[in-house]
Amino acid sequence: GENVEQHPSTLSVQEGDSAVIKCTYSDSASNYFPWYKQELGKGPQLIIDIRSNVGEKKDQRIAVTLNKTAKHFSLHITETQPEDSAVYFCAARADTGSARQLTFGSGTQLTVLP
Amino acid sequence: NAGVMQNPRHLVRRRGQEARLRCSPMKGHSHVYWYRQLPEEGLKFMVYLQKENIIDESGMPKERFSAEFPKEGPSILRIQQVVRGDSAAYFCASSLQGHGYTFGSGTRLTVV
Repeated sequence: GENVEQHPSTLSVQEGDSAVIKCTYSDSASNYFPWYKQELGKGPQLIIDIRSNVGEKKDQRIAVTLNKTAKHFSLHITETQPEDSAVYFCAARADTGSARQLTFGSGTQLTVLP
Repeated sequence: NAGVMQNPRHLVRRRGQEARLRCSPMKGHSHVYWYRQLPEEGLKFMVYLQKENIIDESGMPKERFSAEFPKEGPSILRIQQVVRGDSAAYFCASSLQGHGYTFGSGTRLTVV
């Protein structure tokens, strides 16, 4: 089955700096890669996703890049703000066959220091 | 358009009791997934259901755990004879086929 590894487990940045979180996956059939933000006491919330037919996607201060050859993908947050502080999870899924579950990374606790 | 609704938000059970966790998917979503999250850990897949069918239960413990998604009503995750190790946050998500998940706010189960 799929295995997703995520680094770093914790990340502290100064407000206004950029943050980068990296993930690798094992199943070459995976073709859908979402990122989720989880605030304390809440459920994960989808913030951006990318499919394997593109290499990069941007949404305001958030971008995701995908390298299919190396099987890794990254989340980039620019101009970080204190409200970006949360746990971020990457995930991967192969949209083939009957299996539809996402496999999640172990999470990154991002702290943005004011 | 309400999101994924989970209840109860918090559930306390004594060892040996049963826990029932409910999940109502977003309107129009026919795919439901249950995940478990232990403190300061990631989300571990448990089961994937469509209406009246279990599609993949490879992440479910073989004993004491069961799930259903009936034709009418919410999806239910049932844990019989709970033990302290079952204490965790249980999240439900729903989706349309081929799309991303929308998660509920979770049920935090505490076994005392």
